[in-house]
Amino acid sequence: KNEVEQSPQNLTAQEGEFITINCSYSVGISALHWLQQHPGGGIVSLFMLSSGKKKHGRLIATINIQEKHSSLHITASHPRDSAVYICAARYGGSQGNLIFGKGTKLSVKP
Amino acid sequence: NAGVTQTPKFQVLKTGQSMTLQCAQDMNHEYMSWYRQDPGMGLRLIHYSVGAGITDQGEVPNGYNVSRSTTEDFPLRLLSAAPSQTSVYFCASSYSGLVTYNEQFFGPGTRLTVL
Repeated sequence: KNEVEQSPQNLTAQEGEFITINCSYSVGISALHWLQQHPGGGIVSLFMLSSGKKKHGRLIATINIQEKHSSLHITASHPRDSAVYICAARYGGSQGNLIFGKGTKLSVKP
Repeated sequence: NAGVTQTPKFQVLKTGQSMTLQCAQDMNHEYMSWYRQDPGMGLRLIHYSVGAGITDQGEVPNGYNVSRSTTEDFPLRLLSAAPSQTSVYFCASSYSGLVTYNEQFFGPGTRLTVL
């Protein structure tokens, strides 16, 4: 069974800290997605990647295909980054469905 | 563009009632899907569609029906609601076909309670 595991489940940080959220997955994915779920419930896509690294503002996503592992980093964290971060793996090619991790709840304290 | 819209935002049903959750997108996306989100679990795929007239089951399809008569709309029907269907439901859409990396666009969600 294809699975996606995230760690940690919960994370509390002080404003300004560097944050890392980890995601591991089974073999054979075509893409790895990182999503953000706001406290109000809305979900937005942050990154899609199948190799290497992507950066958007203070967010960086990396993926290591050999180790079947991806990380989401947040530099200079801010209270507005508080959200649930979700990793999802696309199996079965570009038309495959997504398998979601359970999410990492991040709380950034001022 | 309105993106992905869902109605209603909140709904309370009694066991055995039926209802339809509406989902629409105005981005001409071929791929649409329905997920449910339960506490302590990741989003789980209920049904999906790769184009008008084509639907298929996801991980947890029991108790739900879908149809896709147009590209824009993908309603989810609960035939006889059960308390186990209490959840938050998200509709999502994306391009498909030759686009390799398909960003998912999510609706705002419908919070359903079945008593």
